[in-house]
Amino acid sequence: GAVVSQHPSRVICKSGTSVKIECRSLDFQATTMFWYRQFPKQSLMLMATSNEGSKATYEQGVEKDKFLINHASLTLSTLTVTSAHPEDSSFYICSATSRETEAFFGQGTRLTVV
Amino acid sequence: GENVEQHPSTLSVQEGDSAVIKCTYSDSASNYFPWYKQELGKRPQLIIDIRSNVGEKKDQRIAVTLNKTAKHFSLHITETQPEDSAVYFCAASSYGGYSTLTFGKGTMLLVSP
Repeated sequence: GAVVSQHPSRVICKSGTSVKIECRSLDFQATTMFWYRQFPKQSLMLMATSNEGSKATYEQGVEKDKFLINHASLTLSTLTVTSAHPEDSSFYICSATSRETEAFFGQGTRLTVV
Repeated sequence: GENVEQHPSTLSVQEGDSAVIKCTYSDSASNYFPWYKQELGKRPQLIIDIRSNVGEKKDQRIAVTLNKTAKHFSLHITETQPEDSAVYFCAASSYGGYSTLTFGKGTMLLVSP
């Protein structure tokens, strides 16, 4: 299947700082990328949907000014967690898709805010 | 919007037994139903999917059935093995891979040797 690469896989940051997570589709052009958050023993909760070249669409309850999403090219989307707090600690996963493919997931990023 | 319910939340079986996980969806426009397997700390992996023009699909030990009228679909795993132990998620979407997937809450499957 197609490859979606997400970096970093783990990050620890201090409270109040910002963290950027990258999601790349390595062998196909992803017209749409999705960002999910997953708390321990819970399901994948969609945070936002981003289409290349346009603003992301955020799910209800997700602060767009806190979780900045950029989808500047067909192979790269970034999620920046701004002014991170301990409650933002979670597993963040991206997925990428095009009209010809099913959704492929990145390997996830374990964020710990201390 | 779409709502996907998944049951059971946990399932324990003995090696060699069959396991069945069931999901229901609310949006009659949904036409694509993938199942993902997620091992601890890893990314979800697509294991099988079904589209609304098909009632059943099988791939070796796993199969998925779809009842559009009742709006439910199920995952069947036969001859379970310890390596099948993981969390399984069902999902539904309206336009296949390029639309938003709505996930069920997951089923933790534990296969005991």
